[in-house]
Amino acid sequence: DTAVSQTPKYLVTQMGNDKSIKCEQNLGHDTMYWYKQDSKKFLKIMFSYNNKELIINETVPNRFSPKSPDKAHLNLHINSLELGDSAVYFCASSPTTDTEAFFGQGTRLTVV
Amino acid sequence: GENVEQHPSTLSVQEGDSAVIKCTYSDSASNYFPWYKQELGKRPQLIIDIRSNVGEKKDQRIAVTLNKTAKHFSLHITETQPEDSAVYFCAATYYGNNRLAFGKGNQVVVIP
Repeated sequence: DTAVSQTPKYLVTQMGNDKSIKCEQNLGHDTMYWYKQDSKKFLKIMFSYNNKELIINETVPNRFSPKSPDKAHLNLHINSLELGDSAVYFCASSPTTDTEAFFGQGTRLTVV
Repeated sequence: GENVEQHPSTLSVQEGDSAVIKCTYSDSASNYFPWYKQELGKRPQLIIDIRSNVGEKKDQRIAVTLNKTAKHFSLHITETQPEDSAVYFCAATYYGNNRLAFGKGNQVVVIP
């Protein structure tokens, strides 16, 4: 069974559109994260959630809005997409910050 | 911002040789130091971690050492093999931090 799953795996869209990426974990973890990985492979943290409450917002533009309907899900909605949003977005979860984090397979977002 | 720095950014080694990647951290509260490996096109995965109550940990060909006084920790890969070619990320965090932020990554290339 997949531990952390993201959908879709690939997303190609035009500038100005709004899109969402879904993430689900079946591990019972309390903590979930979103990361952005750009072309330089830098894995930059965007948001941290604990028990469906937003804990950390790493100065991400407010066009990005995470939503956690329950502890197992953390979705990412992006408004007014820009070229610079093109990247691979990873969702991850862990029991606590100081334990192993499990990553989803990533969503490759391409804005054209 | 990130609280860990990784050096060097790219490391090329001959197959069979050893590779060492070093990370420095700034937050004295950090007591958990994981290393993640990301192969091309794959998700990051934990390969080894260490807590501040030990100075070294080994798992087959990989080891991590921690110097709390100097605030740095290193990943050691011995007898490198082509499958060790990947990007390696370090992090430094602690329970309750709610923030798992990674260094910028090291590209390791094992030359057959």
